[in-house]
Amino acid sequence: QKEVEQNSGPLSVPEGAIASLNCTYSDRGSQSFFWYRQYSGKSPELIMFIYSNGDKEDGRFTAQLNKASQYVSLLIRDSQPSDSATYLCAVKGMGNTPLVFGKGTRLSVIA
Amino acid sequence: GAVVSQHPSWVICKSGTSVKIECRSLDFQATTMFWYRQFPKQSLMLMATSNEGSKATYEQGVEKDKFLINHASLTLSTLTVTSAHPEDSSFYICSARGSDQPQHFGDGTRLSIL
Repeated sequence: QKEVEQNSGPLSVPEGAIASLNCTYSDRGSQSFFWYRQYSGKSPELIMFIYSNGDKEDGRFTAQLNKASQYVSLLIRDSQPSDSATYLCAVKGMGNTPLVFGKGTRLSVIA
Repeated sequence: GAVVSQHPSWVICKSGTSVKIECRSLDFQATTMFWYRQFPKQSLMLMATSNEGSKATYEQGVEKDKFLINHASLTLSTLTVTSAHPEDSSFYICSARGSDQPQHFGDGTRLSIL
């Protein structure tokens, strides 16, 4: 069974610090990797996706992928209280398959 | 960015009523659409996957006769909750993916059955 594991948190960081969110996956054939942000009572919002090993940066967000270690992470620089949310890691295999989601990590940025 | 529109955002109705939820991809062709359900403080639960023009594939434990899914075009999928009961009250979220678009979510529909 394909699994995506995340620490449930809560992860608390002070405002302005770097928040580091981690995710591991079990399926070595996974092709695409996604990070979604979900505020309480709202639907998930796509914030980053990465397909190749290495880093991908978009504003304050950096996604990192290491396929050999089956590990993907999301760094949030200069964290703001508005970043407080649950962050969902999702992984997609080959073909037209559904995303496999982790249970999410709750991030709390303290002002 | 890609937009997925879901309607209605909130439904309150009596037990036994059937409720239809629409999901539209506004600026891309959604070759595949997904329907999820989420209970408070719990994880997303995939209910079914639908490809345009094909019958939906339901996840184990999801009753296909209760949750009717139609994906008649590349921009529209509907979920009908038939004869809804209080235990069907939940947050229903659609999601769409295109051939060159990652998966985006609609805003969700909060369904309350009295």
